[in-house]
Amino acid sequence: DAGITQSPRYKITETGRQVTLMCHQTWSHSYMFWYRQDLGHGLRLIYYSAAADITDKGEVPDGYVVSRSKTENFPLTLESATRSQTSVYFCASSIVPEGRAYEQYFGPGTRLTVT
Amino acid sequence: AQSVTQPDIHITVSEGASLELRCNYSYGATPYLFWYVQSPGQGLQLLLKYFSGDTLVQGIKGFEAEFKRSQSSFNLRKPSVHWSDAAEYFCAVGAGDYKLSFGAGTTVTVRA
Repeated sequence: DAGITQSPRYKITETGRQVTLMCHQTWSHSYMFWYRQDLGHGLRLIYYSAAADITDKGEVPDGYVVSRSKTENFPLTLESATRSQTSVYFCASSIVPEGRAYEQYFGPGTRLTVT
Repeated sequence: AQSVTQPDIHITVSEGASLELRCNYSYGATPYLFWYVQSPGQGLQLLLKYFSGDTLVQGIKGFEAEFKRSQSSFNLRKPSVHWSDAAEYFCAVGAGDYKLSFGAGTTVTVRA
């Protein structure tokens, strides 16, 4: 049972470069989420998806793009990376029905450094 | 809008002592409440959750939490901590559209 995986686990990129973080889950969960974790802020929601081809903005979406063509994949793209996007990024998924849909399961994270 | 406050940024506790982590939430409706733990370099693991019913909920690793509606609190407790409990702990509240709002976290250090 692979669960939810993220790749790469570590990434260093330069300012202005495009970078894509991958998230893959094997549970066929409907909902998927991208968070960033920064010291003193806990986790902040970037984007989420209720199903394939359905995405919506979270708390801090600027500078990020997502897509979800398949239920199991939810890639996050930084179109032009900035130093302020240096962070640890977590992908999560959750099931339905009601109530348990809030119960999210997290991937191991991607540590991204923008130089 | 919902919010979560964890008043304690850092707590140090001796091994074998009890632990209580505070969590206060602000949400207009009946909340769904969660505690997650994050060990260094790891992702978040669900410790326990409250949806409805009994206000004292049991979780994994010997943790429990009590929902107190009158105080808008969902404090996490463990009677006797182990060195392996050193980690960061996050409280979260379920908001609309199946989203979670997280507190800023409490770091727990366990001393021998």
